[in-house]
Amino acid sequence: TAGITQAPTSQILAAGRSMTLRCTQDMRHNAMYWYRQDLGLGLRLIHYSNTAGTTGKGEVPDGYSVSRANTDDFPLTLASAVPSQTSVYFCASSDSTSGATDTQYFGPGTRLTVL
Amino acid sequence: GQNIDQPTEMTATEGAIVQINCTYQTSGFNGLFWYQQHAGEAPTFLSYNVLDGLEEKGRFSSFLSRSKGYSYLLLKELQMKDSASYLCAVTDSNYQLIWGAGTKLIIKP
Repeated sequence: TAGITQAPTSQILAAGRSMTLRCTQDMRHNAMYWYRQDLGLGLRLIHYSNTAGTTGKGEVPDGYSVSRANTDDFPLTLASAVPSQTSVYFCASSDSTSGATDTQYFGPGTRLTVL
Repeated sequence: GQNIDQPTEMTATEGAIVQINCTYQTSGFNGLFWYQQHAGEAPTFLSYNVLDGLEEKGRFSSFLSRSKGYSYLLLKELQMKDSASYLCAVTDSNYQLIWGAGTKLIIKP
């Protein structure tokens, strides 16, 4: 079972450019999440989706957008990248429609550098 | 505001026991998770506590006291592969998961 896959593994991006980070899960989980992880800080939630067709803002949503057209895919888009968006991005999923009480399973991450 | 506190780094010896503490102040409580994260890898689930007490799972145990806003992760018979960061996370009243910054555990032979 693949679980959750993310692409690309890593990317260097020029400031001002746009980029979409891809996330796909094959566990048929209802809920999906995007986090960023920066040194010395805990994982911070960017956006989430409790079920296909719905999305919500997390703690640090500015500069990011998401969509959830189907159960499996949850892409994260940076419309115009800035250096402060340099981070490691993790996608996660859980088998829950009511929130985050169920265990979250993480993808391998995307390491993004914005120059 | 919401806050999860854990030590930044701890060092322990192979074969020994180590306890990693986590204290939290959150708006409501719907459970506490511990995750393990090896360097350069994704976090992986270790344990979940929602009631007070000790949950044991092999070499790892997790304890929760809701009245004290406190949890610990106990690792026994430490192995070199246990060198990793250990993340504490609490589900608040809105069912959002609030994460601590993690404790980097260094195991020495």
